[in-house]
Amino acid sequence: NAGVTQTPKFRVLKTGQSMTLLCAQDMNHEYMYWYRQDPGMGLRLIHYSVGEGTTAKGEVPDGYNVSRLKKQNFLLGLESAAPSQTSVYFCASSLERGGRSEQFFGPGTRLTVL
Amino acid sequence: AQTVTQSQPEMSVQEAETVTLSCTYDTSENNYYLFWYKQPPSRQMILVIRQEAYKQQNATENRFSVNFQKAAKSFSLKISDSQLGDTAMYFCAFIPGTYKYIFGTGTRLKVLA
Repeated sequence: NAGVTQTPKFRVLKTGQSMTLLCAQDMNHEYMYWYRQDPGMGLRLIHYSVGEGTTAKGEVPDGYNVSRLKKQNFLLGLESAAPSQTSVYFCASSLERGGRSEQFFGPGTRLTVL
Repeated sequence: AQTVTQSQPEMSVQEAETVTLSCTYDTSENNYYLFWYKQPPSRQMILVIRQEAYKQQNATENRFSVNFQKAAKSFSLKISDSQLGDTAMYFCAFIPGTYKYIFGTGTRLKVLA
């Protein structure tokens, strides 16, 4: 039982490049989330998904797209990376919505955009 | 606006001593969930303790306990018998609605030997 895994762990991009971050969970959770963490700030929600095939915007969705084609995977895409997207990205999943059940977090991906 | 405030950016405590981390929040919701997460240098976010707002009894998990004051919108974390492994960033968070966690900016705790 690996929990929540993220690929890659580190990445350096040049401005304008694109990339996809992969999140996978093996707990059969319905709900999945993408956050970003910046220095001096807590985690901020980018997008979330309430089930396979459904996604919704969070607090800071601009510049990102997501897809949930399979229940266990949640992909975060950057179409044209900008230096402002330099951050640590966390994926999380939960069995139930809201605070009824714990959100389990992945180990994070450190992304640097030059 | 719904916010979480952690007014202590950094704290330190001697091993085996007790430390309290402060957290206040603002919401107009009546029912919500509150959390403390620990983030050690490994970056992994680990749930420390969870509190349901409609429950008056303070949550406890081994050496960790909270002081939840709903009227004051305060949710402090007490760590008893501090251990070196408790050294980490601690985030207070709550969910006022359905999906969105709102996190504080964190308190960096260092346990001194």
